[in-house]
Amino acid sequence: GENVEQHPSTLSVQEGDSAVIKCTYSDSASNYFPWYKQELGKRPQLIIDIRSNVGEKKDQRIAVTLNKTAKHFSLHITETQPEDSAVYFCAANSGGSNYKLTFGKGTLLTVNP
Amino acid sequence: NAGVMQNPRHLVRRRGQEARLRCSPMKGHSHVYWYRQLPEEGLKFMVYLQKENIIDESGMPKERFSAEFPKEGPSILRIQQVVRGDSAAYFCASSAPTGALNNEQFFGPGTRLTVL
Repeated sequence: GENVEQHPSTLSVQEGDSAVIKCTYSDSASNYFPWYKQELGKRPQLIIDIRSNVGEKKDQRIAVTLNKTAKHFSLHITETQPEDSAVYFCAANSGGSNYKLTFGKGTLLTVNP
Repeated sequence: NAGVMQNPRHLVRRRGQEARLRCSPMKGHSHVYWYRQLPEEGLKFMVYLQKENIIDESGMPKERFSAEFPKEGPSILRIQQVVRGDSAAYFCASSAPTGALNNEQFFGPGTRLTVL
């Protein structure tokens, strides 16, 4: 089955700096890669996703890149703010299915004022 | 437009008791997914249901766990004879039925199960 590895497990940056979180996946049939943000005690919320027909997608301060050959994808947050502090999860659909998501273990991002 | 609803938000059970977790999907959504999240872990897929059908339960333990999504009412995740290892946050997600494309899964607030 699909295996998703996420790094780093914790990341601390100064306000205004950029943050990058990287994930690798194992299933070459995966074609959907969402990123979720989870604040402490709250529900995971989708912040951006990318499909395999594009290599990059951007939404204001957030961007995601995908390298299908290398089977890795990354989340980039620019001009970080304290409210960006949360746990971020990457995911990939498993076995080419259109519903089963395999999640990484998460990255705790702390943005220091 | 209410989001995905789950209840209870917190559930405490003693070993051997039963736990019933409920999930009401977003309005218009007929696909429901259950995930389990252990402390400091990612979300693990358990089961995917559509109305009155279990589509994929490959992530569900073979014993003690069951799920349903009846024609009327919420989806239910049932854990019989709970053990301490069942303590976790259980999240439900729902998505719209729009064919073969991947659909965004909207998550509920979760039920935090504690087994004493």
